[in-house]
Amino acid sequence: GENVEQHPSTLSVQEGDSAVIKCTYSDSASNYFPWYKQELGKRPQLIIDIRSNVGEKKDQRIAVTLNKTAKHFSLHITETQPEDSAVYFCAASLGAAGNKLTFGGGTRVLVKP
Amino acid sequence: DAGITQSPRHKVTETGTPVTLRCHQTENHRYMYWYRQDPGHGLRLIHYSYGVKDTDKGEVSDGYSVSRSKTEDFLLTLESATSSQTSVYFCASEGRGNTGELFFGEGSRLTVL
Repeated sequence: GENVEQHPSTLSVQEGDSAVIKCTYSDSASNYFPWYKQELGKRPQLIIDIRSNVGEKKDQRIAVTLNKTAKHFSLHITETQPEDSAVYFCAASLGAAGNKLTFGGGTRVLVKP
Repeated sequence: DAGITQSPRHKVTETGTPVTLRCHQTENHRYMYWYRQDPGHGLRLIHYSYGVKDTDKGEVSDGYSVSRSKTEDFLLTLESATSSQTSVYFCASEGRGNTGELFFGEGSRLTVL
């Protein structure tokens, strides 16, 4: 089955700096790669996703890049703000309805004012 | 948030007792999932459902069973709780239209003494 590795496990950045989280996956058939954000004590929520037919996707201060050849994808957060402090999870699946997501271990991001 | 709720939100029980967690969604979503969240492991899939009475095992299904008698309800049962099942359990449903997005419940924190 699919295996998703996520690094780093913790990340501390100064407010205004950029944060980058990297994930690798094992199943070359995977073609859907979402990122979820979980604030302390809350439920995970989707913040951005990418499918294998594109290499990059942006939404305001967040962007995701995908390298299918190398089987890795990354989340980039620019101009970090205190409200970006949370745990971020990457995931991968085959992308069709009902496909089960395999999650990475999570990255705890702390944005220091 | 999609209308998905879990009960109970917190439970403390003793080793060897059965426990049932309930997930209820009002979105008429076909696909539903149970994940457990543990530090360093991200979210791991326990069981999932493709529809009423249609369920299958995930990667960490030992010691768990599920039932789905109605579209809106997905029950997770720990047949005989063990300390290793102390965790936070998240239910999720998948939105319509093949978006792949999961909508999570608030989580149920289970402690097995």
